[in-house]
Amino acid sequence: GQQLNQSPQSMFIQEGEDVSMNCTSSSIFNTWLWYKQDPGEGPVLLIALYKAGELTSNGRLTAQFGITRKDSFLNISASIPSDVGIYFCAGQLQGSARQLTFGSGTQLTVLP
Amino acid sequence: NAGVTQTPKFRVLKTGQSMTLLCAQDMNHEYMYWYRQDPGMGLRLIHYSVGEGTTAKGEVPDGYNVSRLKKQNFLLGLESAAPSQTSVYFCASSYSIIMRGYTFGSGTRLTVV
Repeated sequence: GQQLNQSPQSMFIQEGEDVSMNCTSSSIFNTWLWYKQDPGEGPVLLIALYKAGELTSNGRLTAQFGITRKDSFLNISASIPSDVGIYFCAGQLQGSARQLTFGSGTQLTVLP
Repeated sequence: NAGVTQTPKFRVLKTGQSMTLLCAQDMNHEYMYWYRQDPGMGLRLIHYSVGEGTTAKGEVPDGYNVSRLKKQNFLLGLESAAPSQTSVYFCASSYSIIMRGYTFGSGTRLTVV
């Protein structure tokens, strides 16, 4: 079953605003990944995190691997209309080498 | 380099009909996965394969079968389609070291009427 709690489920923001979303779990993860899904497409990898405490940026996106290894967050700065989509967190559970666990997604809408 | 290709992109089935969804990857990935995506439910794993000739059940395997006869292909079959199987289906593949994450296909939208 679902072991990742992703929040918020949806967000409506004004263009130019910053956005923050996170994933939490009671389990320990070895890897955290953040994906974005555009309408009608499959998810695309945005950022991968491999060590506790790691902070990684990809343009206007910044993600962090929580110190406890049980959480991660994604920030988007100065949002633009093309940021619209569903953002998923995913993680490799400690002891699970063959599959990722996915959060339920955050639907982001950017208003002009 | 096409990545992960899913066919067909859209399909409408009548209840009780059968069909096969094809996933092909050209990245020499060992692992392949089938997910379904439903509103508010995120991505749920149906079946997966860790190599040619192997398959394993995921979170929601009932009503589906899979085969991995060739390393590059992973087939998802619906023997007797039901309206509850109306969904968007995604195939993904990855290296044996999944730390690098999955590469997803663009999805198959299936409607069962």
